[in-house]
Amino acid sequence: RKEVEQDPGPFNVPEGATVAFNCTYSNSASQSFFWYRQDCRKEPKLLMSVYSSGNEDGRFTAQLNRASQYISLLIRDSKLSDSATYLCVVNRRSSGSARQLTFGSGTQLTVLP
Amino acid sequence: DGGITQSPKYLFRKEGQNVTLSCEQNLNHDAMYWYRQDPGQGLRLIYYSQIVNDFQKGDIAEGYSVSREKKESFPLTVTSAQKNPTAFYLCASSGLAGAQETQYFGPGTRLLVL
Repeated sequence: RKEVEQDPGPFNVPEGATVAFNCTYSNSASQSFFWYRQDCRKEPKLLMSVYSSGNEDGRFTAQLNRASQYISLLIRDSKLSDSATYLCVVNRRSSGSARQLTFGSGTQLTVLP
Repeated sequence: DGGITQSPKYLFRKEGQNVTLSCEQNLNHDAMYWYRQDPGQGLRLIYYSQIVNDFQKGDIAEGYSVSREKKESFPLTVTSAQKNPTAFYLCASSGLAGAQETQYFGPGTRLLVL
């Protein structure tokens, strides 16, 4: 089983749609969770951290379910500029340190005009 | 501006040749990392360094070597022993994002074998 699993997509949605991505992780000792965004042929960039209570940043909402070892990202009112690959990222160590992170393979999103 | 720089952007390697990829950061981060990304795949950890003059192998270290003589610099050498080096190479360093420590990436180097 992969340490971090994501649906690779692609997800093709119209502008203004709401889209949700899911991710599962295998290491129950993981303490830090993130979503990164990667544009085509570019480096990954941190989108947001994911906290146990759930957190929101504008149109983006992240949720964590530790019991099910499941992370989600919800994007509301999709924009063309949201088109990218979204990477689910989990730390490997229980200390919460980023010393080793495991990256999912990513979910590809295309927002259509 | 603080950040991570990688050079060159593109690099071509001939058979049997060693090549070195540069990574520099001015974020004053202690930890630095090298990843490899192949098309449609996730990032795989090659080497990481938590402090100057110390580094550890990641998941796919064979055919690669690193050094960490300065806090700001973490160069990666792709040796001739790496039989399939064509990939996108990403360097990262660790810093705080709110209450959590995470990694920030340079723009990457694309390595192609001639």
